[in-house]
Amino acid sequence: KQEVTQIPAALSVPEGENLVLNCSFTDSAIYNLQWFRQDPGKGLTSLLLIQSSQREQTSGRLNASLDKSSGRSTLYIAASQPGDSATYLCAVRGDYKLSFGAGTTVTVRA
Amino acid sequence: GAGVSQSPSNKVTEKGKDVELRCDPISGHTALYWYRQSLGQGLEFLIYFQGNSAPDKSGLPSDRFSAERTGGSVSTLTIQRTQQEDSAVYLCASSLMNTEAFFGQGTRLTVV
Repeated sequence: KQEVTQIPAALSVPEGENLVLNCSFTDSAIYNLQWFRQDPGKGLTSLLLIQSSQREQTSGRLNASLDKSSGRSTLYIAASQPGDSATYLCAVRGDYKLSFGAGTTVTVRA
Repeated sequence: GAGVSQSPSNKVTEKGKDVELRCDPISGHTALYWYRQSLGQGLEFLIYFQGNSAPDKSGLPSDRFSAERTGGSVSTLTIQRTQQEDSAVYLCASSLMNTEAFFGQGTRLTVV
């Protein structure tokens, strides 16, 4: 059974600081890994998808890396803004199912 | 449609009543998923559809829960004889096979 862990559970930073969010998973036989953002009371918004053959993926201020052999992914958010405050979830896809971590709740202080 | 649509957005029901939650996936997406998110908890997998068939129902919590998908499109999650522990946000997602998944805004179910 795939186990996904996200550390830290919560993070508070001043505006402008770079954010580093970690995700680890136990079974390296994955198709892809996806990072999501969830605002309070809302659904999940897809941020980045990394295929198992890729090492990293970038979108604007976001960069995600994947080390499949060691079961780790890191999401970097550059120059954080108060609007980046949300819960960030990583999800690993095995055969078909997405297995989620518990998330990292980020607060960016103005 | 442009995205995954779920209805209703909020549902308050009395304990013991049946409820139906609807999911309209992105057009053409063959895979459809239901997840549940309880207050302060992570996402719990419920069921996966590929086309109209459900090869994995392993996450359904009890036989009070059932789901179907028709025409390879709309899916309905039914909860019979609702209990207070069923209160949660029910999320639906769709994707092409093993590609980026897109989620709806969820249905917040409250059982009173």
